[in-house]
Amino acid sequence: DTGVSQDPRHKITKRGQNVTFRCDPISEHNRLYWYRQTLGQGPEFLTYFQNEAQLEKSRLLSDRFSAERPKGSFSTLEIQRTEQGDSAMYLCASSQVWTGASGNTIYFGEGSWLTVV
Amino acid sequence: SQQGEEDPQALSIQEGENATMNCSYKTSINNLQWYRQNSGRGLVHLILIRSNEREKHSGRLRVTLDTSKKSSSLLITASRAADTASYFCATDYFIIQGAQKLVFGQGTRLTINP
Repeated sequence: DTGVSQDPRHKITKRGQNVTFRCDPISEHNRLYWYRQTLGQGPEFLTYFQNEAQLEKSRLLSDRFSAERPKGSFSTLEIQRTEQGDSAMYLCASSQVWTGASGNTIYFGEGSWLTVV
Repeated sequence: SQQGEEDPQALSIQEGENATMNCSYKTSINNLQWYRQNSGRGLVHLILIRSNEREKHSGRLRVTLDTSKKSSSLLITASRAADTASYFCATDYFIIQGAQKLVFGQGTRLTINP
């Protein structure tokens, strides 16, 4: 158990519907990341928060995707007007404040599976 | 592309044997992290090796890093059926204000046969 919680674990939705995923990071971690993973591939970086500020976004994050972290604790990832190509596992991860030049371990949650039909 | 590549893509061995997986990457890194992923589950962190380290151990795991060759290897000794999973290396880059971006390869699918 890594301590990062994601909800829901599975979501099946019809094309065109909106979906929202929630992530609760490890409590003392102020850095939060979203990744996307499709079958047979490694995870791909989507976006990064430090506290409540969204500081980095991938080009993979189209205008239909929006992520928030309103109070610097939990985060939500919303996908509007879902498309079949959005079917994937959405992974949340968190880490502690960078304390030196060496970086920190990044811990992942169990992921939220999205199937768009 | 900064993406790392794991080799082999799939590996099947008998229980008790050692398993070695390799990872190559293209640009300079800060650290390299190895993760395990059971089917349909999230990623479990195994080891972080820093760019100034050459070898690191954790239980039955041994990771090496050769920055001159831009490669890393993960050795699992005395494999067990429970080690069956996909293994990913992730190269670790700083993006902004010290935050890290992990770039994953496609992984090695390891199967341990009882």
